Amino acid sequence: DVVMTQSPLSLPVTLGQPASISCRSSQSLVHSDGSTYLSWFQQRPGQSPRRLVYKVSNRDSGVPVRFSGSGSGTDFTLKISRVEAEDVGVYYCLQGTHWPKTFGQGTKVEIK
Amino acid sequence: EVQLVESGGGLVQPGGSLRLSCAASGFTFSTYWMTWVRQAPGKGLEWVASIKEDGSKKFYVDSVKGRFTISRDNAKNSLYLQMNSLRADDTALYYCGSDIFGGPLGWGQGTQVTVSS
Repeated sequence: DVVMTQSPLSLPVTLGQPASISCRSSQSLVHSDGSTYLSWFQQRPGQSPRRLVYKVSNRDSGVPVRFSGSGSGTDFTLKISRVEAEDVGVYYCLQGTHWPKTFGQGTKVEIK
Repeated sequence: EVQLVESGGGLVQPGGSLRLSCAASGFTFSTYWMTWVRQAPGKGLEWVASIKEDGSKKFYVDSVKGRFTISRDNAKNSLYLQMNSLRADDTALYYCGSDIFGGPLGWGQGTQVTVSS
């Protein structure tokens, strides 16, 4: 199975400052169809997860532009350009290229 | 608006069975892969199973293979998860999700499954 490793696992941030979460996969996430199926999810306290980004860098509808995804192959990053109070929660990456699909452990974002 | 409503969770003894359901609306159910994801208390997300649009392909995480069966009824816009031989480590909040581009876009609120004697 593909292992997804996120870092850091805890991320205290100052409001208005940038934040970055890394996600590394144990093998390439490039699918035979040429796409890379790496998604990012946000789970606010007490809520269901919400997808933010799909195929590495595509923001889902309604997702603020301060969220951006990047990367390729085995190394991926989610960036928040300026953290707002509503961004508090746990962030997960998910690889959808290989079966079984696998999530990262999660990164808890909190305000300093 | 995409709406997914899970039901069927509850308290069950080890070795018992449950059937989860997910009622979908607000999108063309028959054109989406569908997925079950679970979250144990205080833990992260775990992908459990996915099923192709027409039900012809199904995939499972190793820990549930042979015990869980994912299915769907496109005429009823419904997704199911039959869970047999339940164990304590199956205790979790189970979410259904509509998949596009490799991961769930729409998510339900979840249904709680507790396996305990």
